Amino acid sequence: RKEVEQDPGPFNVPEGATVAFNCTYSNSASQSFFWYRQDCRKEPKLLMSVYSSGNEDGRFTAQLNRASQYISLLIRDSKLSDSATYLCVVITSGTYKYIFGTGTRLKVLA
Amino acid sequence: DTGVSQNPRHKITKRGQNVTFRCDPISEHNRLYWYRQTLGQGPEFLTYFQNEAQLEKSRLLSDRFSAERPKGSFSTLEIQRTEQGDSAMYLCASSLVRGSYNEQFFGPGTRLTVL
Repeated sequence: RKEVEQDPGPFNVPEGATVAFNCTYSNSASQSFFWYRQDCRKEPKLLMSVYSSGNEDGRFTAQLNRASQYISLLIRDSKLSDSATYLCVVITSGTYKYIFGTGTRLKVLA
Repeated sequence: DTGVSQNPRHKITKRGQNVTFRCDPISEHNRLYWYRQTLGQGPEFLTYFQNEAQLEKSRLLSDRFSAERPKGSFSTLEIQRTEQGDSAMYLCASSLVRGSYNEQFFGPGTRLTVL
């Protein structure tokens, strides 16, 4: 079993739709969580950190469920420019290396 | 541009040749990381440095791979006797660790094709 698992998609949604992605992690010692965005043939870029209490940044909401060991990303009012791969990142206590999920591809359709 | 830079951006080589990639991190960042990404997968951790010390190496990093960060600034990743399975995007990232916060900034990557 992979340490961090995501549904690879693709998720094809119309403009204006709300879409949600989940990411599960296997190591209960995981302490930090992020969502990164990666455009085709580009480097990953930080979208948002995920805090225990949940956090929101404009149209994006991230949540953490430690009991069930998953994090989620909700995108409201999808834009064409949101089309990308969304990578879940987990950091385990005592280390600084990122453990990435496979990424979830999102295509927002006009 | 004060971000992470990587050179070359693309490298095509024949099987059995040696290749070396360079990464220049953001100047004040004390940690530097190497990852490898293949098509349809997320990046996989290879190794990281704090200043010039190499603190962790993945089991993915076979004996043919070596990384250095001699002066705690730029880093090089060398692959000896390349194999077709080494074809991938090699990503470098850097971070300034402050307490428990550790946002990593990625470079544009070096795309390696082994023929």
